[in-house]
Amino acid sequence: AQKITQTQPGMFVQEKEAVTLDCTYDTSDQSYGLFWYKQPSSGEMIFLIYQGSYDEQNATEGRYSLNFQKARKSANLVISASQLGDSAMYFCAMRDGGGFKTIFGAGTRLFVKA
Amino acid sequence: NAGVTQTPKFQVLKTGQSMTLQCAQDMNHEYMSWYRQDPGMGLRLIHYSVGAGITDQGEVPNGYNVSRSTTEDFPLRLLSAAPSQTSVYFCASRPDSYSNQPQHFGDGTRLSIL
Repeated sequence: AQKITQTQPGMFVQEKEAVTLDCTYDTSDQSYGLFWYKQPSSGEMIFLIYQGSYDEQNATEGRYSLNFQKARKSANLVISASQLGDSAMYFCAMRDGGGFKTIFGAGTRLFVKA
Repeated sequence: NAGVTQTPKFQVLKTGQSMTLQCAQDMNHEYMSWYRQDPGMGLRLIHYSVGAGITDQGEVPNGYNVSRSTTEDFPLRLLSAAPSQTSVYFCASRPDSYSNQPQHFGDGTRLSIL
């Protein structure tokens, strides 16, 4: 069965510093996709970044990068130069090989301190 | 472009009542899904659809029914509401099952069962 694990329920980071949010996954599929979403206190789900299982380079989107270590089955999100507006819940998600199901981790709440 | 529209935004039901949560998208997406979000558990997949007339179960389908008569609409039905179904419900869509595109989420429906 597929599983996503986010082991950090909450994290603090100082404004302008970088932070890494951990995500490990378990799947027997060879083809799969990994996503990170942000959920601010207003409740909407905001897509941040995507990594395909066959992508050889780590994905980057502005201040977000995904540290993809396939052998270790990890897909950590790195946020550089944290901003106060980055305070939110962050979810790691995995789409299965058939594309039918996307499952989510329990999330990490990030607090950015001024 | 409205994207994914969920109605209602808030609803309070009594145990045993029935209810339909509406979801509509105007992006001509083939794939649609329903999730519930509970504290500490992330988003859990209830049902999904890969196209009109085709639906299947996700991780937590019990107590919920869905149908997909058109590409645009994917309603979620609670036939006999239970307090355990108190949650925030999200509808999402993406172009198709195989797309690497992220899911587009609605703003959610906050449902309380008394």
